[in-house]
Amino acid sequence: GAVVSQHPSWVICKSGTSVKIECRSLDFQATTMFWYRQFPKQSLMLMATSNEGSKATYEQGVEKDKFLINHASLTLSTLTVTSAHPEDSSFYICSARDWQAFNYGYTFGSGTRLTVV
Amino acid sequence: DAKTTQPNSMESNEEEPVHLPCNHSTISGTDYIHWYRQLPSQGPEYVIHGLTSNVNNRMASLAIAEDRKSSTLILHRATLRDAAVYYCIPITQGGSEKLVFGKGTKLTVNP
Repeated sequence: GAVVSQHPSWVICKSGTSVKIECRSLDFQATTMFWYRQFPKQSLMLMATSNEGSKATYEQGVEKDKFLINHASLTLSTLTVTSAHPEDSSFYICSARDWQAFNYGYTFGSGTRLTVV
Repeated sequence: DAKTTQPNSMESNEEEPVHLPCNHSTISGTDYIHWYRQLPSQGPEYVIHGLTSNVNNRMASLAIAEDRKSSTLILHRATLRDAAVYYCIPITQGGSEKLVFGKGTKLTVNP
């Protein structure tokens, strides 16, 4: 089945610094990837849709200048949390779908736990 | 996006079948019904999806009501590893294709 690799699994950073999270589709090409954020005991919240070769589409209320998304190739999307603050501490998850394998749904990365201190 | 209603939580015993309901009364005719589950501290995992007919795979079965306003995910023999939050999500094929998660059902499996 389709595999999505997310890196790093966890990261601790100082307040004010930037953190980059990578999401790779390992065995398929993904023109579209999705980024989610999840706070403890809550559901996943869709942040943005990452489009290969074009600008990302952000959900309402998500600051595009703070959460920079780059989708430069068909297998890699990155999310950069700029000038991170403690309130950005969360579990970030990416997702993609292998459209060649219709019987499969969306595949998710294992998530990145970000802690800002 | 079609709205969904799921029980907040359900409990089951190991080795017994589990029926997880989902109401999606505002679903449109072209929406597929997807089910995902999330184990603690992990990304969600695809379980099954369908349009009109009931579907089976190695993980579960999906029973879709004739009017498509509800569906039921069936785990035939629950194991401790099935303890997770289960989400049903209607997705419009050919639309934005976004997966928008509701609150889901937290399934507890008792040994």
